[in-house]
Amino acid sequence: EVQLVESGGGLVKPGSSLKLSCVASGFTFSSYGMHWIRQAPKKGLEWIALIYYDSSNKYYADSVKGRFTISRDNSKNTLYLEMNSLRSEDTAMYYCAKYGGDYWGQGVMVTVSS
Amino acid sequence: DVVMTQTPVSLPVSLGGQASISCRSSQSLVHSNGNTYLHWYLQKPGQSPQLLIYRVSNRFSGVPDRFSGSGSGTDFTLKISRVEPEDLGDYYCLQSTHFPYTFGAGTKLELK
Repeated sequence: EVQLVESGGGLVKPGSSLKLSCVASGFTFSSYGMHWIRQAPKKGLEWIALIYYDSSNKYYADSVKGRFTISRDNSKNTLYLEMNSLRSEDTAMYYCAKYGGDYWGQGVMVTVSS
Repeated sequence: DVVMTQTPVSLPVSLGGQASISCRSSQSLVHSNGNTYLHWYLQKPGQSPQLLIYRVSNRFSGVPDRFSGSGSGTDFTLKISRVEPEDLGDYYCLQSTHFPYTFGAGTKLELK
């Protein structure tokens, strides 16, 4: 059974940093690209980043480019999202998803507020 | 960026009835490899989105045949026949042909 479990969320102040993790199981993690997608409270879905299976390519939404970094450790079956210079508009539920969008985690909440 | 215009915003339906959701893209979603990367998701209250249809018309594993997707180029449709209570929620289209990937704004399927 495919499982994606996010962690690392919380309440932080504007300008601060946070690092999210997503632990994968039930599939060969090192063979698949992975996404981060977010959803602000009572809003729609926003794709924010993709990393290839071997980290050779990374793509970002303009809204996070230069502030967020997607990475992975295939030896630990773990995907990361390092978030810097956080803003109130980054407040959202953050989901990791397997390439192809067929499996998503349950999400982790990030709240940026003073 | 590709803008995905999804309509309607809200869709009241009766149980057992039919629903149709439209998604139009600001540019063609045909990839250089010939595939069209347009997908449909359902997000039930308090849950993560779940994949219903991938690449326009392919039902994901376990998705009932009441769900069907169609379209080409810039114009796509999700149809739900014989609506059941578990079909209620927010529906989103997603294009993954062009970076950045973009979602439609969503359609809330609710009881009439």
